[in-house]
Amino acid sequence: DTEVTQTPKHLVMGMTNKKSLKCEQHMGHRAMYWYKQKAKKPPELMFVYSYEKLSINESVPSRFSPECPNSSLLNLHLHALQPEDSALYLCASSLYQGLDTSNQPQHFGDGTRLSIL
Amino acid sequence: AQKITQTQPGMFVQEKEAVTLDCTYDTSDPSYGLFWYKQPSSGEMIFLIYQGSYDQQNATEGRYSLNFQKARKSANLVISASQLGDSAMYFCAMREGGSEKLVFGKGTKLTVNP
Repeated sequence: DTEVTQTPKHLVMGMTNKKSLKCEQHMGHRAMYWYKQKAKKPPELMFVYSYEKLSINESVPSRFSPECPNSSLLNLHLHALQPEDSALYLCASSLYQGLDTSNQPQHFGDGTRLSIL
Repeated sequence: AQKITQTQPGMFVQEKEAVTLDCTYDTSDPSYGLFWYKQPSSGEMIFLIYQGSYDQQNATEGRYSLNFQKARKSANLVISASQLGDSAMYFCAMREGGSEKLVFGKGTKLTVNP
């Protein structure tokens, strides 16, 4: 079992639907991440939250809207998605303590498999 | 410029044998960390092993070891005594000091044959 919990595990939605992906960690990590992963490709970074503030948005379309209500929780709100948005969405967290973060691995959840009809 | 290079799209190994998965990296930051992740077909990304740029010794975690050659900028993963459950995609990744980003290679798909 991973220490980063993602729900739901699978999601099928139409292009006009609104849904949310949820991610939770209780490791005291202060950085949380959303990644998108297509089949047979590495994960692509979408958003980074550091101390509950959005620090990186990798030019993600506005139909994806992240939210970090507290240090343990990260949401990704989805609206008017396109078929090409079908992918595995991974959440991760890391400690993010001190200036040098190079020794801090990211811990991933099991992901949400999203299919857009 | 690609910072992490994994040149082996696919690798095959017999059960109980050792296998080496290659990874080279490029950075000018003196402080960096190198990570290996395993991703089975079910999707979860599992952290396996870490090597810091200042570490004098190669990292080991159970059957996993990292062959770190700093001058060559390589960080190869060695899996000893392969098991059928080791069949998965393996990603090498790097994090530079102070960076929030983890940069991934393209991955190597490992198949363990009985």
